[in-house]
Amino acid sequence: EIVMTQSPATLSVSPGERATLSCRASQNIGSNLAWYQQRPGQAPRLLIYRASTRATGIPARFSGSGSGTDFALTISSLQSEDFAIYYCEQYDNWPPWTFGLGTRVEVK
Amino acid sequence: QVQLVESGGGAVQPGGSLRLSCAASGFTFSRYCMHWVRQAPGKGLEWVAVMSFDGSNKFYADSVKGRFTISRDNSKNTLYLQMNSLSAEDTAVYYCARGRYYDLFGYMDVWGKGTTVTVSS
Repeated sequence: EIVMTQSPATLSVSPGERATLSCRASQNIGSNLAWYQQRPGQAPRLLIYRASTRATGIPARFSGSGSGTDFALTISSLQSEDFAIYYCEQYDNWPPWTFGLGTRVEVK
Repeated sequence: QVQLVESGGGAVQPGGSLRLSCAASGFTFSRYCMHWVRQAPGKGLEWVAVMSFDGSNKFYADSVKGRFTISRDNSKNTLYLQMNSLSAEDTAVYYCARGRYYDLFGYMDVWGKGTTVTVSS
């Protein structure tokens, strides 16, 4: 089973600032990585797939990068609605599909 | 619009059973693989099960194997999760999520709002 490790667990950022979240896979997953956003009380929402492709309707301030084992999600200028929990997920080697434990982005 | 609506959650005693449903609309359900993903209170996301577009293939997380059964009725655009021998560790919000078109390989691009399952005596 591929283990996904996200860091940091919590990121404190001021509105308008840039946030960078990290995700590491326990083995090479190529570019088969997705990022999801989960706002409080809501279902997860797909942000990024194939490591760097934005899903439909996702603002350009969200960008993904990386391949192999190291990945990043960058939010260029945090808006109020971006304070949420972000999960990475690998879909390269399954079953199981595996998620990281998440990074909470909170207001500094 | 593309929508997934889960139902069937509730409170159940340990050892009990529950069947969840996920009604799909706004897309050709029979062409997509479908997942169940759960989230225990205050915890992260845990993949539970997947079924191929035609029902010919299904896979389960080790934590539910032998107790949960995923199925689908493409004529009713509905996905199911039969859960037996429930324990407190199964307490979670259960989401259904759309997978890849015609292929098990891929991410989950549409999620329902979830249904809550509470296992307690």
